[in-house]
Amino acid sequence: RKEVEQDPGPFNVPEGATVAFNCTYSNSASQSFFWYRQDCRKEPKLLMSVYSSGNEDGRFTAQLNRASQYISLLIRDSKLSDSATYLCVVRGGFTGGGNKLTFGTGTQLKVEL
Amino acid sequence: ETGVTQSPTHLIKTRGQQVTLRCSSQSGHNTVSWYQQALGQGPQFIFQYYREEENGRGNFPPRFSGLQFPNYSSELNVNALELDDSALYLCASSLSTANEQFFGPGTRLTVL
Repeated sequence: RKEVEQDPGPFNVPEGATVAFNCTYSNSASQSFFWYRQDCRKEPKLLMSVYSSGNEDGRFTAQLNRASQYISLLIRDSKLSDSATYLCVVRGGFTGGGNKLTFGTGTQLKVEL
Repeated sequence: ETGVTQSPTHLIKTRGQQVTLRCSSQSGHNTVSWYQQALGQGPQFIFQYYREEENGRGNFPPRFSGLQFPNYSSELNVNALELDDSALYLCASSLSTANEQFFGPGTRLTVL
């Protein structure tokens, strides 16, 4: 089983749509949780951290369910510029792994006119 | 931009050769982590360096080795290159081991 699992997509949605991405992680000792965005052939960039209480940043809402080991990202009112790959990431809880980030394979989003 | 730089941007090698990739961390950052990203996959952790010492290693063979220098820049060395080593190699620097990691633009390595 992969440490972090995501649906690879692609998700093709019209501009203005609401889209949700889900992710599960296997290590219950994981300590921190994030969503990263990666544009084609570029480096990953932190989109937002994820907390159990849920957090929102503009059109983006992230949620963590520690009991189910499940992380979600909701994007409202999608823009063309949201087209990218969204990476679910967890940190910590691994022996000998320092404070490594463990990435899912990413979910590709394409927002269309 | 993150202030993290990597060189070279692209590299082509043949099987069995050795390669050295370089990373300059953001000013004030003492931790560098290296990741390998194969096509269609998420980045995979190779190792992390903190104040010139290795601070954790992922599931990569010993032919992947690294260094961190007193100015906190870092090198990734790969010996006996294999075709499967073809990937984007990313370094990330952070203020310390538990802080946000800022990624450089990566080095794209092709092994023929």
